[in-house]
Amino acid sequence: EADIYQTPRYLVIGTGKKITLECSQTMGHDKMYWYQQDPGMELHLIHYSYGVNSTEKGDLSSESTVSRIRTEHFPLTLESARPSHTSQYLCASSANPYEQYFGPGTRLTVT
Amino acid sequence: DQQVKQNSPSLSVQEGRISILNCDYTNSMFDYFLWYKKYPAEGPTFLISISSIKDKNEDGRFTVFLNKSAKHLSLHIVPSQPGDSAVYFCAASYGDDKIIFGKGTRLHILP
Repeated sequence: EADIYQTPRYLVIGTGKKITLECSQTMGHDKMYWYQQDPGMELHLIHYSYGVNSTEKGDLSSESTVSRIRTEHFPLTLESARPSHTSQYLCASSANPYEQYFGPGTRLTVT
Repeated sequence: DQQVKQNSPSLSVQEGRISILNCDYTNSMFDYFLWYKKYPAEGPTFLISISSIKDKNEDGRFTVFLNKSAKHLSLHIVPSQPGDSAVYFCAASYGDDKIIFGKGTRLHILP
């Protein structure tokens, strides 16, 4: 059973607020990922990490930032939320290149 | 430009019949193909994969077929069950630990 957690599950917040989306996994995976998905669209990789103190930007440009201070924790931060950031954010981790375990996602709405 | 294409946004299949979900790709460098399944309000879960050196992989009711010359793969579900109703994402990787996802196909299993 894969254990990867995301909080909050749903967030409605006003423009200009700073937000942090939490992601934790208990599987000891080195690789972690953040995806952004709009309804009916593909998942787009926005950040990834291959281990502690390693973070890289993904294929889709994002104004968010990430950190990886501990293996199990990979939070995503938006310094100033805007309506264009409204989307679903999915966190994943993996031990091998192909099978990623996903959290339940955070649905963010910026008003 | 989309590298992984799922041209059918939705598909309805009678319970007990075969479900066939299709996927096309453009990048001949992909070396692994995957299918993920997603229920509402949950993250995607890995379903089945196939290496580019194979043309078929079977796991219980699920079989994935790969036609490299046509750059096409398909997922067959036989027999289809009500619990198979979900969104299915086709995905591909070229070995750098990153996965490219399609937009998904929503499968409805009809009673």
